Amino acid sequence: NAGVTQTPKFRVLKTGQSMTLLCAQDMNHEYMYWYRQDPGMGLRLIHYSVGEGTTAKGEVPDGYNVSRLKKQNFLLGLESAAPSQTSVYFCASRNQERDTGELFFGEGSRLTVL
Amino acid sequence: AQSVTQPDIHITVSEGASLELRCNYSYGATPYLFWYVQSPGQGLQLLLKYFSGDTLVQGIKGFEAEFKRSQSSFNLRKPSVHWSDAAEYFCAARGGSYIPTFGRGTSLIVHP
Repeated sequence: NAGVTQTPKFRVLKTGQSMTLLCAQDMNHEYMYWYRQDPGMGLRLIHYSVGEGTTAKGEVPDGYNVSRLKKQNFLLGLESAAPSQTSVYFCASRNQERDTGELFFGEGSRLTVL
Repeated sequence: AQSVTQPDIHITVSEGASLELRCNYSYGATPYLFWYVQSPGQGLQLLLKYFSGDTLVQGIKGFEAEFKRSQSSFNLRKPSVHWSDAAEYFCAARGGSYIPTFGRGTSLIVHP
């Protein structure tokens, strides 16, 4: 049982390049989230989705776009990367029907923007 | 505004000593409360949670937490720390919305 899988795990970009982070979950969860983690800042919510075809902005959405075309996948895109987007990105999912409140996290994707 | 505060950025303990990590929340009503642990290079894993009922909750890896409504606190405790407990610990809270709020984390350092 894979749980939540993030790809890629590491990536180095140059300023202005674009990329997409993929999050895939095999638990049939309705809710999915993208967070960024920076030293001393904890986890900050970028975007989230409460179901297939729906997305919403979180605390720090600027510079990012997301899509949830399939229930199991949640994509995070950077159209024009900036050094301020150097961070570790975490995807998480949660079950709505049998909600224990728990978020299930991927192992993270470390992005460096030069 | 809803918030979760972890006052301690770093905590250093000796192996075998007891541990208490502090967490305070600010919500309109009692939220759901969680503690997560993050080992180096890993994602977050749930240690325990409080929804209602008994204010002392038991979690995995020998951890427990006590909910105190009067103090708006949900402190994490462990009677005897092991070197493998060295990690980052996050307190989180969720009200009626879809979105949990995380504290900034406490880094636990364990000395042999």
